[in-house]
Amino acid sequence: AQKVTQAQTEISVVEKEDVTLDCVYETRDTTYYLFWYKQPPSGELVFLIRRNSFDEQNEISGRYSWNFQKSTSSFNFTITASQVVDSAVYFCALSEPNRDDKIIFGKGTRLHILP
Amino acid sequence: KAGVTQTPRYLIKTRGQQVTLSCSPISGHRSVSWYQQTPGQGLQFLFEYFSETQRNKGNFPGRFSGRQFSNSRSEMNVSTLELGDSALYLCASREDYEQYFGPGTRLTVT
Repeated sequence: AQKVTQAQTEISVVEKEDVTLDCVYETRDTTYYLFWYKQPPSGELVFLIRRNSFDEQNEISGRYSWNFQKSTSSFNFTITASQVVDSAVYFCALSEPNRDDKIIFGKGTRLHILP
Repeated sequence: KAGVTQTPRYLIKTRGQQVTLSCSPISGHRSVSWYQQTPGQGLQFLFEYFSETQRNKGNFPGRFSGRQFSNSRSEMNVSTLELGDSALYLCASREDYEQYFGPGTRLTVT
């Protein structure tokens, strides 16, 4: 069955530090999609990235980067030089388009960036 | 394009009542999904509608139902409310695999 585990419930770092949010997934399919979303205090989930299972290239977008490793079933998210505005809950998610195509979310990691 | 809108934003209901929440997707999006978010259970998938048909369903009791109209707007209904139904209900519309969420409806059951 599909499952997403975010072992870090809550993380606090001081502004300008780098921080990595871990995501481990389980799936029986060879075709799947992985996502990261950000939920700021306002409550609305913001889409950050989507990755398909056939593309293991790491991705960088400004201060954000993602490391996808199929060998360890992980899709980790790193924020470089963190800022207070990065404080939010971050969710990793998985979908299996050839199965039921539902998007299943991890429990989320609450990130506090301290000034 | 306007984003996903949900109404109402806040709602207080009493146990045993029923409630209807509304979601308007981004123009052109035909898929609408609903999620329940609680501190204990996190984000749980309720159901997805595509072109007025339920395409997927999560593990929720039959008290939770939904529908989608021809203009892709969707409603979800919860009958016989329980205290445990207090949650943030999020709606999302998608095009391909990029899912866009609305601001949510915070339901409090007393």
